[in-house]
Amino acid sequence: QVQLVQSAAEVKKPGASVKVSCKASGYTFTSYAMHWVRQAPGQRLEWMGWINAGNGNTRYSQNFQGRVTITRDTSASTVYMELNSLRSEDTAVFYCARDLPGAFDIWGQGTMVTVSS
Amino acid sequence: EIVLTQSPGTLSLSPGERATLSCRASQSVSSRYLAWYQQKPGQAPRLLIYGASSRATGIPDRFSGSGSGTDFTLTISRLEPEDFAVYYCQQYGSSPGTFGQGTKLEIK
Repeated sequence: QVQLVQSAAEVKKPGASVKVSCKASGYTFTSYAMHWVRQAPGQRLEWMGWINAGNGNTRYSQNFQGRVTITRDTSASTVYMELNSLRSEDTAVFYCARDLPGAFDIWGQGTMVTVSS
Repeated sequence: EIVLTQSPGTLSLSPGERATLSCRASQSVSSRYLAWYQQKPGQAPRLLIYGASSRATGIPDRFSGSGSGTDFTLTISRLEPEDFAVYYCQQYGSSPGTFGQGTKLEIK
């Protein structure tokens, strides 16, 4: 079946970077774009950016001010999201989600990232 | 950035009742890119409605979406116990894509 499996939870210090992976299975990886969404505790979902898994083109939210980079490895059917210069406000669950298009139809299980000194 | 405001913040209803959830946009949104999601505690969001009114695969027909422009509605015709959750609307026709703050549907 179609699924997205994300990497395990991470604990990072302020100023560090984190790289979260999202492995896709059950469909043709290069046929769909992939988005990343952040959900801080008690907060609304926040779109971070997306990647066209076919050609690697990306688009990012200005709200992350150049701190985020999304890449993909087609041979591994995996998308990565790297967030730099982590701060306490980045403590959140990060989700990858497949583009339908028009909506996000399949979601990963989420990866908790805790930023703490 | 388009701001989506959902109302009410919390909706208390009983199983079998009808639920009406609202999503209002700060500027006009393309219906093609308006979606609704359900999220239960500890779980990822689940797509319910896309294109403002199309049900996603496997979603029961008691869920329906409507609206255009700046006003959109999610209706659950007869609440089942498993429907009590948080619901989010989303638009990504205009970058950056944005979500509403959510409506919590709780058992009365």
